[in-house]
Order: sequence, then C-alpha cells, then structure tokens
Amino acid sequence: GESVGLHLPTLSVQEGDNSIINCAYSNSASDYFIWYKQESGKGPQFIIDIRSNMDKRQGQRVTVLLNKTVKHLSLQIAATQPGDSAVYFCAENGMDTGRRALTFGSGTRLQVQP
Amino acid sequence: ETGVTQSPTHLIKTRGQQVTLRCSSQSGHNTVSWYQQALGQGPQFIFQYYREEENGRGNFPPRFSGLQFPNYSSELNVNALELDDSALYLCASSLAGGHEQYFGPGTRLTVT
Repeated sequence: GESVGLHLPTLSVQEGDNSIINCAYSNSASDYFIWYKQESGKGPQFIIDIRSNMDKRQGQRVTVLLNKTVKHLSLQIAATQPGDSAVYFCAENGMDTGRRALTFGSGTRLQVQP
Repeated sequence: ETGVTQSPTHLIKTRGQQVTLRCSSQSGHNTVSWYQQALGQGPQFIFQYYREEENGRGNFPPRFSGLQFPNYSSELNVNALELDDSALYLCASSLAGGHEQYFGPGTRLTVT
C-alpha cells in the first residue's frame, strides 16, 4: 500500500550544527507534505509544510525540500539547539475520497549533543 | 500549544473491556481526525468526523467507533479491548478540506 517512510531512525548532532532529516514517500498523488515534531509525552507539533507544486520552502531555522522525481522529502534545521531534540515525522496529506488523512512515517529521533 | 484538548491523559483497562476517549477541537475547526500511535511508530489514521458523520476510515475494525457532537467535539470508542490496542490515541482538528491538522496531547491507553 501507499506509505511514507524515513531513512534514519536516529540522528545525533552537535549543538550549533545543521541537521538534515530525510523521508521517502510513495504516493505520487499526495499534494501536501508536512513535517511534525513530537516531544516526549506530547502530540505532534506542526513545523512546516510544502505543497507538491513547490520544491523548497523556508521557515524560521527550518527548510523543507521536495524532490518529486525521486519522491524524496527532507527537513533541514539550521543551528540545531537542545530544544530541537525530539522525534520528527514526515507526513503526506492527500485529498482521498473527499477527506484529508495524514499518512505518517515511523519517525526519526534527533538527539542534540551540547 | 494547540487548542485541542483530550481526556483522560492516561487510562488502564483490562482486555475485553470498553473505553471512551474524548477530544475538544480547536476553536473554529469543524473536522476531527483520530489516530493511533503505537510505541516507536508513527500515528496511524483511524477515522475522521465532519458534520457529525464519519468521513473516511483507515484500516481499523468496526469495534473502533466514534461520534462527533454539534460543538465539533468528538469521542472515540473501542469495544472488546485487545492487548494490541495499547497505544497513544491522538485527536487532530482541522477545517474541512484543510491540510493542516493540529494535534492534542493524546490519551495513553494501556490494556492489561
């Protein structure tokens, strides 16, 4: 079936470095891709999204890149801080049968070393 | 934090029992989606409610059911609980047709 997956289960970086989290997706019909951050004991928190007709979008310290040719999505975090430590999920959101449901990958844990 | 609230925070039930989880959506949001998140996994879509009716369902059996009320709040009911139902249950609210979904903190269900 259609799925969204991640390449690396755990990513460890030094404080101040840039982080790159990758994601592969398989549903070419999805029109939105979203990155969520989930801290321990909390629900997923929206970080940034990108529409399928774009290839790059920037937010505050974060950039999402979309490569539709190879069905690949990445999240770049600049100057990673200890507060960025969390599990990051990519999700695809497609208008399927009139409703929007998110399909999540299994997540990447980002560990920021001080 | 989002304006989505869920209750209870934690719950322990015995196999075979029934459980009801509750969710209040963010102000102005008329659509509620429920997700199940097993430990170490990404959330899995259970179903979505819009205008008090189920508006799409994931790969979950009929013993998972729900309700949406006129104020857009929602309930998730699970009958005949199984050990594998132990998970974090997340509620997300959104505008109809909108792609941004805002999640609550979840209810941690443990089935023994």
